[in-house]
Amino acid sequence: ETGVTQSPTHLIKTRGQQVTLRCSSQSGHNTVSWYQQALGQGPQFIFQYYREEENGRGNFPPRFSGLQFPNYSSELNVNALELDDSALYLCASSLTSAYNEQFFGPGTRLTVL
Amino acid sequence: DQQVKQNSPSLSVQEGRISILNCDYTNSMFDYFLWYKKYPAEGPTFLISISSIKDKNEDGRFTVFLNKSAKHLSLHIVPSQPGDSAVYFCAASAGDNYGQNFVFGPGTRLSVLP
Repeated sequence: ETGVTQSPTHLIKTRGQQVTLRCSSQSGHNTVSWYQQALGQGPQFIFQYYREEENGRGNFPPRFSGLQFPNYSSELNVNALELDDSALYLCASSLTSAYNEQFFGPGTRLTVL
Repeated sequence: DQQVKQNSPSLSVQEGRISILNCDYTNSMFDYFLWYKKYPAEGPTFLISISSIKDKNEDGRFTVFLNKSAKHLSLHIVPSQPGDSAVYFCAASAGDNYGQNFVFGPGTRLSVLP
């Protein structure tokens, strides 16, 4: 059984650019959640996708958007990057949207210069 | 305004002793709580959870206690082992947001000294 994978591992961008992060959910899981973890803080919920539809959103601006594909993999897109977007971005998959145990990927470290 | 607080950024414990990690929350709608462990360069790993209908849940060396009136939970690790050295996150969710939105605390870095 393959766990949650994320790509790329690290990324460096400049202010104003756009970035796409990718996540492959664990086999059999139809729900993917994205989190932002700033240095020294806990993960903050960005949004969740369930069966290709957004199923809840945290307190993040619209320039954070996502997508889930028929195979339940997912993308996180961030437009007009700001310095404060520098963080570890974590993807977590779960069996269904009502299932509380989430399995996290290793994250993508984004640095915005 | 942090809804989930872990007021100890770090904790050091001798191998074989008990580790107690604390977590406080402010939102009375939270009814499901989880602990995650995170090693460097890895994603958080689920450790143990507790529903608000219980006040204790045990899994091997790990026990979570919930005090709803104090809005406080704690994770006990007995006996502590060097491999337990990691950052521990407390997380909470509310019933109507089941699975959608976990609110995480800032984490406590546990160091277990041999």
